[in-house]
Amino acid sequence: QQQVKQSPQSLIVQKGGIPIINCAYENTAFDYFPWYQQFPGKGPALLIAIRPDVSEKKEGRFTISFNKSAKQFSLHIMDSQPGDSATYFCAAKANYGGSQGNLIFGKGTKLSVKP
Amino acid sequence: DVKVTQSSRYLVKRTGEKVFLECVQDMDHENMFWYRQDPGLGLRLIYFSYDVKMKEKGDIPEGYSVSREKKERFSLILESASTNQTSMYLCASSFGTQAYEQYFGPGTRLTVT
Repeated sequence: QQQVKQSPQSLIVQKGGIPIINCAYENTAFDYFPWYQQFPGKGPALLIAIRPDVSEKKEGRFTISFNKSAKQFSLHIMDSQPGDSATYFCAAKANYGGSQGNLIFGKGTKLSVKP
Repeated sequence: DVKVTQSSRYLVKRTGEKVFLECVQDMDHENMFWYRQDPGLGLRLIYFSYDVKMKEKGDIPEGYSVSREKKERFSLILESASTNQTSMYLCASSFGTQAYEQYFGPGTRLTVT
């Protein structure tokens, strides 16, 4: 079974801080690495995604850094705000066999940004 | 706006009951998925479907079955509910095998007593 390992489980930062969430994967049969954001009472929603041939992608205050050789990727949130408080999931999209449309999710990081 | 709706937000059932969770998407997506979400365990895939009448087991299919008779509708069935199936159930859909964006419904919080 393919795995994506995510850390930390929870994170508390002050407003304006830069929380960093890390993920690692175990094989190379993935072709996209998206991040999802989930607010309480809602389903997860796509936040940002990166392909494995790109080392960094930035959208607004959110940046993904990708290290292909280390099989690791991370999410940075610049100038974090209380409204960013949510659970964040990293994921990897499978590109093999009968599971080509599937996502393998990390276990999630609960982020709390204090005012 | 893509919309994925789930039949109930909250559901309470008794052990041994047959439970149906319905999911409908309005974007003509080929792929549909059922996940369960538990604290500390993230999102775990129960079943998925890439086409009408097609279904494939995910990582934790035991105790569940699914039905997809129409493209827009994907049902999750608990044949005989047990207390360890108390969880948040999330339905999602996506367009094609290249899609990394899945659209999620709001979830159904199922409690089995």
